[in-house]
Amino acid sequence: GAVVSQHPSWVICKSGTSVKIECRSLDFQATTMFWYRQFPKQSLMLMATSNEGSKATYEQGVEKDKFLINHASLTLSTLTVTSAHPEDSSFYICSARGQGTFETQYFGPGTRLLVL
Amino acid sequence: AQTVTQSQPEMSVQEAETVTLSCTYDTSESNYYLFWYKQPPSRQMILVIRQEAYKQQNATENRFSVNFQKAAKSFSLKISDSQLGDTAMYFCAFESDYKLSFGAGTTVTVRA
Repeated sequence: GAVVSQHPSWVICKSGTSVKIECRSLDFQATTMFWYRQFPKQSLMLMATSNEGSKATYEQGVEKDKFLINHASLTLSTLTVTSAHPEDSSFYICSARGQGTFETQYFGPGTRLLVL
Repeated sequence: AQTVTQSQPEMSVQEAETVTLSCTYDTSESNYYLFWYKQPPSRQMILVIRQEAYKQQNATENRFSVNFQKAAKSFSLKISDSQLGDTAMYFCAFESDYKLSFGAGTTVTVRA
């Protein structure tokens, strides 16, 4: 149990285009989903927290107009990188947390984004 | 904000041997959760072990165990009988308000 999927796993796009990444909890309902960014050989940096049906909460320094997050249902959250530029190239990871107080975050396999 | 410190960027261990990874954290909270996550070359984050701060007993999961010292704010991970599949980056994490703060990570290489 506790499987989280991400799609796509790999995406290459041209500068100026928008890219959407999906995060799904496959076998549980996720009250809260999180989006992280990770550069090579570095730690995970939390970008934003999303709760189903409400606006995402962004961490300091993260541009909310650049990284649009939608948490439309208890099993799906999407991250859209708008007008992507080469500096947005990174590894993006989502995680999902169940509804209980003592639940654990389960992570998706990540999406590698390369902006040319 | 919570800070999590992993002071060992890299560790190398012979297969079947034991390795201990250190982690310290800073918080003013009294009840919280601590985690060790493993990130192998596939980059999939895998939960290794979880510790609830109000529990004095150290968590154990098969070959993985922790030494949780609440007063010292220390949370080390011991990997016993290391296997080649344990080669990965290991992250210590602190949970507050459902959000995880990660340490910088320790790369563990298991040698055959």
